[in-house]
Amino acid sequence: GAGVSQSPRYKVAKRGQDVALRCDPISGHVSLFWYQQALGQGPEFLTYFQNEAQLDKSGLPSDRFFAERPEGSVSTLKIQRTQQEDSAVYLCASSLTNNGPGQGFSYEQYFGPGTRLTVT
Amino acid sequence: DAKTTQPTSMDCAEGRAANLPCNHSTISGNEYVYWYRQIHSQGPQYIIHGLKNNETNEMASLIITEDRKSSTLILPHATLRDTAVYYCIAHGSGNTGKLIFGQGTTLQVKP
Repeated sequence: GAGVSQSPRYKVAKRGQDVALRCDPISGHVSLFWYQQALGQGPEFLTYFQNEAQLDKSGLPSDRFFAERPEGSVSTLKIQRTQQEDSAVYLCASSLTNNGPGQGFSYEQYFGPGTRLTVT
Repeated sequence: DAKTTQPTSMDCAEGRAANLPCNHSTISGNEYVYWYRQIHSQGPQYIIHGLKNNETNEMASLIITEDRKSSTLILPHATLRDTAVYYCIAHGSGNTGKLIFGQGTTLQVKP
């Protein structure tokens, strides 16, 4: 079946513009994660959804960042008034559940290819 | 989740085994060791995970020391397509499932 898809793959925004990044998770996956990856660094957690509920948004760097998953499938990450420091690859991942492997649930996160955002 | 330490980079000859070490000396009893890799311009890809027993799948083997303070990921016959950044992550059940990535090890497989 299809994996996690993200669109657009590349986005160039002028400083101050708003952007919206889309994630289509694997069908039936309960959990959805957003990560931010700066150049040369490992991915950093932004936020987590279980179905439509946003259960953890501790990684969002500022209130300019907003994420939603209204119907428990597709998710959108919105960045308002973009700044140059927002330039990064934004990765989306989904998994069957959120629970750890010791509880008999899926543990593997499937990542999309990411959206590369460049703020000029 | 416990902090992990990995070498910044490693080289491996094509066809030889690649052994990637990871230190996780503060790992707690309920934390698993996960390995993901990220090939250039792609999202991370799950490889394998384990708790305290050695594990093997079609991609790799994972050897965890008895005290669980370190582990080694083994790619038995590395190919050029295994060139990637490899991340070792100590990840516990009971949290939201978010992964804490470090810097990882850049593995360069050379012909």
